[in-house]
Amino acid sequence: DAKTTQPNSMESNEEEPVHLPCNHSTISGTDYIHWYRQLPSQGPEYVIHGLTSNVNNRMASLAIAEDRKSSTLILHRATLRDAAVYYCILSGGSNYKLTFGKGTLLTVNP
Amino acid sequence: DTEVTQTPKHLVMGMTNKKSLKCEQHMGHRAMYWYKQKAKKPPELMFVYSYEKLSINESVPSRFSPECPNSSLLNLHLHALQPEDSALYLCASSPDGYYGYTFGSGTRLTVV
Repeated sequence: DAKTTQPNSMESNEEEPVHLPCNHSTISGTDYIHWYRQLPSQGPEYVIHGLTSNVNNRMASLAIAEDRKSSTLILHRATLRDAAVYYCILSGGSNYKLTFGKGTLLTVNP
Repeated sequence: DTEVTQTPKHLVMGMTNKKSLKCEQHMGHRAMYWYKQKAKKPPELMFVYSYEKLSINESVPSRFSPECPNSSLLNLHLHALQPEDSALYLCASSPDGYYGYTFGSGTRLTVV
């Protein structure tokens, strides 16, 4: 499985935008970029995914570099409820599995 | 119904016991998964079922035995576990295995 690299932790203030980076220099042409988050004492939760183009949904935006070797998850206005571990994951082709890396622990300050 | 339901939420079992974890989804998803998560670690994939057939076993010890009786139900049978098997066991499903996984809240297992 292609590997992703994320910062161990990041801090943000409430109501400010948050940019969570992910490097994936060995990404293959068929790999999708997925983001999940895990709030304390809960199972992971789907956030967003994309292949080549930037993507937006009600939770976040995903900005993908032109060479696809990195991506950024953007939370437009962080709330205290967004404090979680955020996982950037590559998966694609005929691979029916999602393999989690260490993720980024996001702390949101009031 | 957009949830994955796991029961029980908590389980304490002895090393000689046999127990089962249950997972249910009614979203019509065709792929279902078991993950194991130790404290402060990411979830680790254990098993993948695709269209009710076991498609991936990530070299899990035989004391863990998965079962998929139908497209909505996934079980994990436990037998002769060790204390180091204590963890949060997460079930997930996805429409086709590529994206949009939905996770349950997990079963917190303690082996004594």
